[in-house]
Amino acid sequence: AQKVTQAQTEISVVEKEDVTLDCVYETRDTTYYLFWYKQPPSGELVFLIRRNSFDEQNEISGRYSWNFQKSTSSFNFTITASQVVDSAVYFCARISSGSARQLTFGSGTQLTVLP
Amino acid sequence: GAGVSQSPSNKVTEKGKDVELRCDPISGHTALYWYRQSLGQGLEFLIYFQGNSAPDKSGLPSDRFSAERTGGSVSTLTIQRTQQEDSAVYLCASSLGGSGVQYEQYFGPGTRLTVT
Repeated sequence: AQKVTQAQTEISVVEKEDVTLDCVYETRDTTYYLFWYKQPPSGELVFLIRRNSFDEQNEISGRYSWNFQKSTSSFNFTITASQVVDSAVYFCARISSGSARQLTFGSGTQLTVLP
Repeated sequence: GAGVSQSPSNKVTEKGKDVELRCDPISGHTALYWYRQSLGQGLEFLIYFQGNSAPDKSGLPSDRFSAERTGGSVSTLTIQRTQQEDSAVYLCASSLGGSGVQYEQYFGPGTRLTVT
């Protein structure tokens, strides 16, 4: 299987700090899709963003931004001016085009934002 | 609109018993997925249904696990002769499906299964 690696197991920041969550993926495919999901303490996985392999434009949504770099096989996620409500486990995931449609997840990064 | 729903939210069962977990996908979503989340193994794919096609069962860990999807909507995951290592949160997800584009998957709240 083509792996997704989230090397940061846990990150702790103080409210209002910026924080970047790293994601590195393996791929042998030309076309693939990358995702970020948030899992708050309530447990439900919440979809944040999907990115196609042929679209390297960075994206910003409010305090969230994503940096996709095919040259380094990375899809990093930055939260600006973090808030306590951002505390959650964040998962990066990928799918290849083709017959295998399941998400391959990274191991997740536990983000704790302290007041 | 309504999201993915799963029942029960919690299930405690004795080793050796069978259990059934239910998933109701988002209306109009043709693709349905089951995943398992456990401390040691992270998030693992179990099975995938797309429309009327044969399901992709490649992630099922043993023949004690099976799933069906009736009428292209509700799905049931069955675990026979449960073992303690089956204890996990079982997550269902659905998406628009289709070919060529990998739509985002929307997850239900999960069923926490504890095998004693």
